[in-house]
Amino acid sequence: DVKVTQSSRYLVKRTGEKVFLECVQDMDHENMFWYRQDPGLGLRLIYFSYDVKMKEKGDIPEGYSVSREKKERFSLILESASTNQTSMYLCATSPGQKTQYFGPGTRLLVL
Amino acid sequence: GQNIDQPTEMTATEGAIVQINCTYQTSGFNGLFWYQQHAGEAPTFLSYNVLDGLEEKGRFSSFLSRSKGYSYLLLKELQMKDSASYLCAVRDQTGANNLFFGTGTRLTVIP
Repeated sequence: DVKVTQSSRYLVKRTGEKVFLECVQDMDHENMFWYRQDPGLGLRLIYFSYDVKMKEKGDIPEGYSVSREKKERFSLILESASTNQTSMYLCATSPGQKTQYFGPGTRLLVL
Repeated sequence: GQNIDQPTEMTATEGAIVQINCTYQTSGFNGLFWYQQHAGEAPTFLSYNVLDGLEEKGRFSSFLSRSKGYSYLLLKELQMKDSASYLCAVRDQTGANNLFFGTGTRLTVIP
């Protein structure tokens, strides 16, 4: 079974804080993705990576950055959290061009 | 760009059959996925269509017509545990082969 884990299920941060969300997968998948999910908007792609040290912007990269130093780990960074970044954050992985497997999600609240 | 439409909510009776429709417009279609997402949980993969026709997998089937930009997910012998959101996602070659998600259809199964 594919296992995708995220560092926290729930997180509360204050405006202006730096926030790190980590995603780890154990299936040696090349591709990793970060999405946010908001009511009425569906899943929107923030960043993705097809290889170590490689990153590409998705549809809504503003206010976020990512890091992929090891194949199994893909981190999402909010440099200075804002209230409009309150959301559910989902990490996903895929082997090549096949289906994506999602982690359990991190529900982030920015006060 | 991509445009994916699916109904926001549906209600059906336990034991019945329900069809969830998805229409899409995309410039580089390269496959359509259906995911199931229970409240507060991660999406899980249900089906994948890249060629026209019906794919059957147990109680769930998915149909694709590329010429019409149309897909549906058919759920038979509905069970209470099928109450969830169902996400339609399209892979687009012009979008780095990433997935683009609809906003999801929330299905409620009633006794």
